[in-house]
Amino acid sequence: QKEVEQDPGPLSVPEGAIVSLNCTYSNSAFQYFMWYRQYSRKGPELLMYTYSSGNKEDGRFTAQVDKSSKYISLFIRDSQPSDSATYLCAMSATSYDKVIFGPGTSLSVIP
Amino acid sequence: DGGITQSPKYLFRKEGQNVTLSCEQNLNHDAMYWYRQDPGQGLRLIYYSQIVNDFQKGDIAEGYSVSREKKESFPLTVTSAQKNPTAFYLCASSIGQRDGYTFGSGTRLTVV
Repeated sequence: QKEVEQDPGPLSVPEGAIVSLNCTYSNSAFQYFMWYRQYSRKGPELLMYTYSSGNKEDGRFTAQVDKSSKYISLFIRDSQPSDSATYLCAMSATSYDKVIFGPGTSLSVIP
Repeated sequence: DGGITQSPKYLFRKEGQNVTLSCEQNLNHDAMYWYRQDPGQGLRLIYYSQIVNDFQKGDIAEGYSVSREKKESFPLTVTSAQKNPTAFYLCASSIGQRDGYTFGSGTRLTVV
């Protein structure tokens, strides 16, 4: 079993839809959770960063962590064509520990 | 603007050749990382350095080498010992986890 798993997609939604992207993980020691967005042929950029369980909101983006289920989610409200990208989840046990990345989910938002 | 610059953007290597990928940052970050990205796989850590003149192997260091002689620079050499070098290579830097990683735009290496 991989440490971090993501459905690779591709996921295709109409503009304005609510998107839910998810990751599961196996290591209960993970406490730091991140979401990165990667446009084609570019490096990833940090979207959201959360510590431990709970929700964090930033504009149209909400990150949710459920440590009891070892499950994290990223919700995108009012999705836009510019949100079309690959979304990578990432996590680590401590603030200076190795970060483990998921394989990414490819999202297309259709105008 | 501060950031990470990777060069070249595209690189072609013949069998048996060593090639060096450049990574330069002006963010004053202490830690720097090299990742390899293959389709359908997560980013895999090749090498990382938390301070000048010191670096550690990541999960897939075989066939690669690095140096960290300056804080701003962390070049990666893909040697002929790397049997499957065709991939997208990403360099990153960080202060600490709370700020996440800042990535470069990547170098796509193809063996011809």
